[in-house]
Amino acid sequence: SAVISQKPSRDICQRGTSLTIQCQVDSQVTMMFWYRQQPGQSLTLIATANQGSEATYESGFVIDKFPISRPNLTFSTLTVSNMSPEDSSIYLCSVQLAGGMNEQFFGPGTRLTVL
Amino acid sequence: AQSVAQPEDQVNVAEGNPLTVKCTYSVSGNPYLFWYVQYPNRGLQFLLKYITGDNLVKGSYGFEAEFNKSQTSFHLKKPSALVSDSALYFCAVRDEAGGYNKLIFGAGTRLAVHP
Repeated sequence: SAVISQKPSRDICQRGTSLTIQCQVDSQVTMMFWYRQQPGQSLTLIATANQGSEATYESGFVIDKFPISRPNLTFSTLTVSNMSPEDSSIYLCSVQLAGGMNEQFFGPGTRLTVL
Repeated sequence: AQSVAQPEDQVNVAEGNPLTVKCTYSVSGNPYLFWYVQYPNRGLQFLLKYITGDNLVKGSYGFEAEFNKSQTSFHLKKPSALVSDSALYFCAVRDEAGGYNKLIFGAGTRLAVHP
């Protein structure tokens, strides 16, 4: 498995502002992903964070709203831009280990509340 | 497109009784199936997976799952439930579309184990 940390663990933000969430893994990983879990709902994939190239976004998510960086094999950031109350969710990063058997391991999540 | 369905929003079980959390899937090609558990205010924890091989898969915390190809099901089971098993359970299927191993999650089933 892998030890995954996320910062911040939670935040309360004003609408119109932006928040950057960090994800750090204790080992090099092939794939990193960002998910959103809206209140009382399941997880939805936002994007796959690619090292050294632009992230791959899922339908309904765009780079201008959710810019992602992945400068190396152990770190990624997700920014939630120009926030509105509808962005209030838990944001989770996950990783798939290099040479792993396909399961993903998840960070503890960042609980975001937008007022 | 790949999908999973969890037909029950909530499952109630008495402590010491067997539990089953249901999941059905729809895939093109070979199914790669997963179960995750989410405890309150925590990220997702990997329980078990089916890739190939034996239809009965054993996982963490005494959980197991039975893969049934003819019924396209992957139900999660435990012979004797504990109060501490109370949590939110997610079934997921791997989607290889676009060459990325992303996970598609079901809606989740809340398990409540009563003393």
